Amino acid sequence: GEDVEQSLFLSVREGDSSVINCTYTDSSSTYLYWYKQEPGAGLQLLTYIFSNMDMKQDQRLTVLLNKKDKHLSLRIADTQTGDSAIYFCAVPQEEAGRRALTFGSGTRLQVQP
Amino acid sequence: DAGITQSPRYKITETGRQVTLMCHQTWSHSYMFWYRQDLGHGLRLIYYSAAADITDKGEVPDGYVVSRSKTENFPLTLESATRSQTSVYFCASREGHGGYGYTFGSGTRLTVV
Repeated sequence: GEDVEQSLFLSVREGDSSVINCTYTDSSSTYLYWYKQEPGAGLQLLTYIFSNMDMKQDQRLTVLLNKKDKHLSLRIADTQTGDSAIYFCAVPQEEAGRRALTFGSGTRLQVQP
Repeated sequence: DAGITQSPRYKITETGRQVTLMCHQTWSHSYMFWYRQDLGHGLRLIYYSAAADITDKGEVPDGYVVSRSKTENFPLTLESATRSQTSVYFCASREGHGGYGYTFGSGTRLTVV
């Protein structure tokens, strides 16, 4: 089955850039996702990238996809204290029509003022 | 209200009791999913459903039962709750063919004492 790995913790200063990395094992996924979870809240879709793209930019967010290395990253420019949250990388399981997402363990981003 | 709703939001139950968590979506999405979130594990798939009357096991199905008699509802039942089932449970849905977006409910925080 799919395996998705992320580092557990990242601390940055306000105004710096944050880069959260993710590696996965299944190369057949059509889309790959980043979700954000604030304390005590549900999951909010932050952004996604189609598998035939190398990069996607959306305001302060940049997603980079290296399909050869099965590596996905999320860059947040000008990180703000409101960006403090857990960020999950998620990859769909396409086998047997399951279409469920497999999640990494989440990266807790701490933004220091 | 349009969207995906879970109930109850919080639940405390005793070991050995049966408890049902409800999930309702208003989009007529084909796929629905149940995940549990535990510290250090991210989200793990319990069960999923590709359509009404079609359900299948995910990674951690033991101790859980699901049903899907109507497209919009996907209840999750813990037949005899155990302390290890203390967790936050998320329901999600996505469109069938051609869809890519997964939407999550707000979660149910279940404590088994």
